[in-house]
Amino acid sequence: DAGVTQSPTHLIKTRGQQVTLRCSPISGHKSVSWYQQVLGQGPQFIFQYYEKEERGRGNFPDRFSARQFPNYSSELNVNALLLGDSALYLCASSLRTGSGANVLTFGAGSRLTVL
Amino acid sequence: AQKITQTQPGMFVQEKEAVTLDCTYDTSDQSYGLFWYKQPSSGEMIFLIYQGSYDEQNATEGRYSLNFQKARKSANLVISASQLGDSAMYFCAMREGSAAGNKLTFGGGTRVLVKP
Repeated sequence: DAGVTQSPTHLIKTRGQQVTLRCSPISGHKSVSWYQQVLGQGPQFIFQYYEKEERGRGNFPDRFSARQFPNYSSELNVNALLLGDSALYLCASSLRTGSGANVLTFGAGSRLTVL
Repeated sequence: AQKITQTQPGMFVQEKEAVTLDCTYDTSDQSYGLFWYKQPSSGEMIFLIYQGSYDEQNATEGRYSLNFQKARKSANLVISASQLGDSAMYFCAMREGSAAGNKLTFGGGTRVLVKP
């Protein structure tokens, strides 16, 4: 079975540009979450979507936006890129949302470099 | 205050030996969940083990066990019989409260290098 797939795997942008990252969850998973992992740090929560509705937002500026499509895939958009946006962007999917042993399965990430 | 603290930035362990990775957490919620993930150099976060705050027994998954000490707010990961493939970054994470959804708060990680 296919895991969480993310594209592109690597990309280079310049300051001020915009980027779109894509994520396909595991089949049957209805929740997608996005995390940013700066080099040398643990991942930080950006967004969660469940059944196409935003269910949570982390402490990120409005330059960051996301959406979930009817097939449960998701896109993360970042506008007006800054050097500090350089990071590994991880997508995670889960069957449901909420508490308990609801395990997030992560993709391999999209590594963004902003020059 | 840090929600999740991992005090060991890096560790060496001999192949076939056990290793303990420390994790302390900070929360005022009674309901929370603790996770450990492994991140090899490929970047993918791999789920290892989960412990709920109301679970009375320590979680175990194969060679992984979680030493959960609720009063001390610690959730240490024990890897038994280390293998070369265990070399990776290890992250402790917490889902805090019943309304947290899929928001996990991660620690800074511990890099483990298994020596042959």
